[in-house]
Amino acid sequence: DGGITQSPKYLFRKEGQNVTLSCEQNLNHDAMYWYRQDPGQGLRLIYYSQIVNDFQKGDIAEGYSVSREKKESFPLTVTSAQKNPTAFYLCASSIDLYGAGGLFFGSGTQLSVL
Amino acid sequence: QQQVKQSPQSLIVQKGGISIINCAYENTAFDYFPWYQQFPGKGPALLIAIRPDVSEKKEGRFTISFNKSAKQFSLHIMDSQPGDSATYFCAASSAGNTPLVFGKGTRLSVIA
Repeated sequence: DGGITQSPKYLFRKEGQNVTLSCEQNLNHDAMYWYRQDPGQGLRLIYYSQIVNDFQKGDIAEGYSVSREKKESFPLTVTSAQKNPTAFYLCASSIDLYGAGGLFFGSGTQLSVL
Repeated sequence: QQQVKQSPQSLIVQKGGISIINCAYENTAFDYFPWYQQFPGKGPALLIAIRPDVSEKKEGRFTISFNKSAKQFSLHIMDSQPGDSATYFCAASSAGNTPLVFGKGTRLSVIA
């Protein structure tokens, strides 16, 4: 089945700890994205990548880092600099840059702070 | 700065009724307006989208109405069903030039 796989589904972070959220896609899409979803706040763009080894900051990149070493993978690291990391994190991909042909989302990772 | 304003925040509709969700945008460069549907614990999925060369687009029970002069667009769900209960997000972008900007979402509950 083609799609986007995010793992883990639930993740807990201790104070001062970096955690990495996994995102893998087998849709052969060039563009990949990370969004943060908070209740009543919609979806806010963290980072996006058009091609391997290239990525751009979104609206709320502070406290996050990404890498794009393979076309299929776009992991997100939530660093200790992100002081309010509790949120639902969504990874997405699209065949075209910026998703005018539709964004395909994974099922998300819920990150909570211990 | 919120570039897409969505209302209402929540909506309760009787089964068989019409659900209406509204969005307004500010950036006149926007030319692509999709709606996404999200069920609890899942990622959003593209429902329907419109470009400003038409004023209305219909797919089954879902219709987008677009008013370019007012910079507003809306989603109408006809004959609403309990299975339509979900959170709906409008979005906008300058297609191919900027990332999608999402509204804050509307939680729709369809009750029998």
